Amino acid sequence: EAQVTQNPRYLITVTGKKLTVTCSQNMNHEYMSWYRQDPGLGLRQIYYSMNVEATDKGDVPEGYKVSRKEKRNFPLILESPSPNQTSLYFCASSPWKAGELFFGEGSRLTVL
Amino acid sequence: GENVEQHPSTLSVQEGDSAVIKCTYSDSASNYFPWYKQELGKGPQLIIDIRSNVGEKKDQRIAVTLNKTAKHFSLHITETQPEDSAVYFCAVEGGSGNTGKLIFGQGTTLQVKP
Repeated sequence: EAQVTQNPRYLITVTGKKLTVTCSQNMNHEYMSWYRQDPGLGLRQIYYSMNVEATDKGDVPEGYKVSRKEKRNFPLILESPSPNQTSLYFCASSPWKAGELFFGEGSRLTVL
Repeated sequence: GENVEQHPSTLSVQEGDSAVIKCTYSDSASNYFPWYKQELGKGPQLIIDIRSNVGEKKDQRIAVTLNKTAKHFSLHITETQPEDSAVYFCAVEGGSGNTGKLIFGQGTTLQVKP
């Protein structure tokens, strides 16, 4: 089944404790992206990747890091999480940058 | 950069009625306008899209209209059913310096009452 898989789906952590949200797609898509969803703000892009070893900032990259060492994986790293990073996070992939986005089921993160 | 405004933020209709959600955008060079539906506990999913060379597109009970002059586009759902209840996001792609990147609206929570 074609899908984008994120883990963990739910996480409660404390300020400053590094965490990684994994994202994997099995559709051989070139383009991958991370979004955060907050009430009243819609979906805002954090980082995106056009291909392996090619990543770039989106609209709200502060406090986040990403890597794209393999085509299928695009982890989101919070080196020192803060409460303002409490949010619902989505990973998405697409055959190309302007194509249909396929979203994962989301990762709800709470930073205390 | 591109700015996308979506209204209303919430919409409640009776089953069988129509629902309309509207989005406005700022960059007249934008050329691709998709709509995504997000069901509870799931990620958004594309339901319909339109490109700037077309004024209207239909797919069964859903349609999208685009007014490039006024820089707005709308999602129309006819004969609404309870399973249409979800959050709907419009998005805009293209425009000056924005090739390929989607800018999303704020979302509309649609409730269809049986």
